[in-house]
Amino acid sequence: NAGVTQTPKFRVLKTGQSMTLLCAQDMNHEYMYWYRQDPGMGLRLIHYSVGEGTTAKGEVPDGYNVSRLKKQNFLLGLESAAPSQTSVYFCASTSTVVGEKLFFGSGTQLSVL
Amino acid sequence: DAKTTQPPSMDCAEGRAANLPCNHSTISGNEYVYWYRQIHSQGPQYIIHGLKNNETNEMASLIITEDRKSSTLILPHATLRDTAVYYCIARRINTGTASKLTFGTGTRLQVTL
Repeated sequence: NAGVTQTPKFRVLKTGQSMTLLCAQDMNHEYMYWYRQDPGMGLRLIHYSVGEGTTAKGEVPDGYNVSRLKKQNFLLGLESAAPSQTSVYFCASTSTVVGEKLFFGSGTQLSVL
Repeated sequence: DAKTTQPPSMDCAEGRAANLPCNHSTISGNEYVYWYRQIHSQGPQYIIHGLKNNETNEMASLIITEDRKSSTLILPHATLRDTAVYYCIARRINTGTASKLTFGTGTRLQVTL
């Protein structure tokens, strides 16, 4: 039982490049979330999903897209990376079965030059 | 979800109890109080949650006032490893849909020798 796994752990992009961050959970959780955390700041919600095939916008969705084609995976895409998207990205999942406690991944450090 | 307010920082001597306050004066009757912590740059970790009764687990105790407008997380014997940012969140659960679930900036607890 690996929990929540994020790949990659580190990535450096040039402005305008695209990439996809993968979040995978093996706990059969319905709900999944993507957050970003800038230095000295709290976590800000980018997008979230309440189930396979459904997604919704969070606090800071601009510049990001997401997909949840399979229940266990939640993908975060950057179509045209900007320096303002330099951040640490965290994925989380939860379920009503576990009292909606969030389980977080270890994060992806993304730098956009 | 109700807004929560926490002090930005606190200090605690190792071995002493750390009492972290959280104000949630607009909390509604079906909103739970959750606490998480984030050690350095790791993903946040669930600590404890409760509705109106005091709760205790192997990590901490949660004391919720009778009017539910505030709560205190207690780490009974703080160690250096408890140095982290602690987040208090108020949210409804078991609604059939996931709320946006946003985090504030939390309390930075520094445990010292």
